[in-house]
Parts: sequence; C-alpha cells; structure tokens
Amino acid sequence: NAGVMQNPRHLVRRRGQEARLRCSPMKGHSHVYWYRQLPEEGLKFMVYLQKENIIDESGMPKERFSAEFPKEGPSILRIQQVVRGDSAAYFCASSPTFASGRRNEQFFGPGTRLTVL
Amino acid sequence: AQRVTQPEKLLSVFKGAPVELKCNYSYSGSPELFWYVQYSRQRLQLLLRHISRESIKGFTADLNKGETSFHLKKPFAQEEDSAMYYCALSHSNYQLIWGAGTKLIIKP
Repeated sequence: NAGVMQNPRHLVRRRGQEARLRCSPMKGHSHVYWYRQLPEEGLKFMVYLQKENIIDESGMPKERFSAEFPKEGPSILRIQQVVRGDSAAYFCASSPTFASGRRNEQFFGPGTRLTVL
Repeated sequence: AQRVTQPEKLLSVFKGAPVELKCNYSYSGSPELFWYVQYSRQRLQLLLRHISRESIKGFTADLNKGETSFHLKKPFAQEEDSAMYYCALSHSNYQLIWGAGTKLIIKP
C-alpha cells in the first residue's frame, strides 16, 4: 500500500490562474480530508468528502475553492483565480470506514506546496 | 470556542534530557486528543491518542481535564526524536482542530 499520494508536490501559479491539487487516498479508504497550512500556523480543516459526496465543507472559503471526490479517480481540490494569500501547503488525508474506538485515524499525504506569484 | 494551543514554537534539549511538549485545549465537550509527528522530509503521522493510553517510541501523554492539557513527555530524548509535533483535538467524528506545532530539536 503506497499510502496517500498527492501531486504535484510543488505548484507555482501566477495570480488569476487556476490550481488543481490531486489526492489519491490509501487503498480501501473512502474518506478524504483536505487541510491548509499557512506559514507558522497549524493545519486548518477545509473539507471532508466521501465518494461522490461532500460531507462537510465548513472550512472552505465560499468563493474560488471547490473540491470533489469522484467515483473513479483522485480527489481534486480546485482553486480558481488564485491570489497571493492562497500560497500555502495543502495536505490531504484519508481514513477507512470508522471502526469502534478508532475514529479519526487519518493518514496523511506529503502535501502540495502552492506558491502564487 | 474550540482551540488547541502549543505555546512553544521551538524546543531544544540535549540528548538524554527529559522532554515535555506542551498542549492546552479549549473545548466544551469531552475531547479526544492526539499527537501527530512529522519527521524531516516525511509525512505527518499519528504518534499517539489519549484513549489508547499507550507509549509510542517512549512518548506518553496524559489528558488532564482540570488543566485542559495534553502534554507530550519523554524521559530521555534521542536524536531521532527531532521533528515537528502537532497536538490535535477531535471536534466531531472526523474533524480535527490543530495546534500550530512545536519544532523539537535534540542536540547531541
């Protein structure tokens, strides 16, 4: 099991462009979470998805940001018309179906570092 | 408001010395707390969770509800313990609230 995969690892965009970040969960995991980490800060929850469903997007900015987890393929975090303030590390995590006493065990990907010029 | 505070951005101790990484939380319900670790060039991984009451790599953490703390401790630090450590609190069945992290440096 290769673990959670994220690509690209580094992404550079100019203001106004679109950024697409991909996350492939661990084999057998159907829950995906996206986090953002700004410099000198902790991880901030953005969105929680299951296959084809957004369960909780309370941490997502209302505009320009969207996420999906299609039936086939990786989860995508999409940022339209990027601005300098979007520069951050974006982490994806996945988890299996919750088992008694083992909730919230999330397995993390290596992250994508987005730089907006 | 739910919050996790790690007051030290950086902690530097000598090899063999005791280590204590502080974590305080603010939460209105019954919290579930975790410590995650990120070694250099590696991904974030779960170190331990308070409900397991286990010791991982010599680290332990006790939930103190009176002091709303979940400090991470190790009696004798090793060089391989150098890493970023994050304290996190379970806000729901899946959402985690994170501290800002403490960088631990173990000096030889």
